[in-house]
Amino acid sequence: KNEVEQSPQNLTAQEGEFITINCSYSVGISALHWLQQHPGGGIVSLFMLSSGKKKHGRLIATINIQEKHSSLHITASHPRDSAVYICATPPTGNQFYFGTGTSLTVIP
Amino acid sequence: GAGVSQSPSNKVTEKGKDVELRCDPISGHTALYWYRQRLGQGLEFLIYFQGNSAPDKSGLPSDRFSAERTGESVSTLTIQRTQQEDSAVYLCASSFGQGYGSEKLFFGSGTQLSVL
Repeated sequence: KNEVEQSPQNLTAQEGEFITINCSYSVGISALHWLQQHPGGGIVSLFMLSSGKKKHGRLIATINIQEKHSSLHITASHPRDSAVYICATPPTGNQFYFGTGTSLTVIP
Repeated sequence: GAGVSQSPSNKVTEKGKDVELRCDPISGHTALYWYRQRLGQGLEFLIYFQGNSAPDKSGLPSDRFSAERTGESVSTLTIQRTQQEDSAVYLCASSFGQGYGSEKLFFGSGTQLSVL
């Protein structure tokens, strides 16, 4: 069993669609990261959140600490959003756990 | 610097050779992380430095791997007697914060290591 589970693993959407990626975790955390890995391999940190909701442009991330669940939403999706989205959570101690990633393809 | 800098960007080496990878974090960032990503696989955490504290080395894949950081500056990841399974992209990230990764991460562009 993975400490961090993401769903779906693969997602194909039409341009303009609203997208949701889910992340559930079983470890105790102080914060959760959402990362975006572009096809070329570069990784960008999208959000770090410890409670509630954060918004940046068309991206929205929410977290429910009690339910150990987080979601990443993309509104009005665009082909440039095509990437792998990864949630990562540091538990107590120095081990960091990653979801397996959600590969998103947005079709024009 | 403006971002996390890693060098070299690409390294091709022969099996059995030692390699040294370098990471320059963003100035002022107290935390520095090393990860690797094998082809087609997810991120794998290796080691984490926080300030001047001794790092937990338990995430390193084998005793051929070692990492050092001088103060809150440059870090080097050394792989001795490289093996083909060491081939991966080695990523470095830094953050400004005192907690266990509770600050936003900034990633370098990685070092692509190929062991022939």
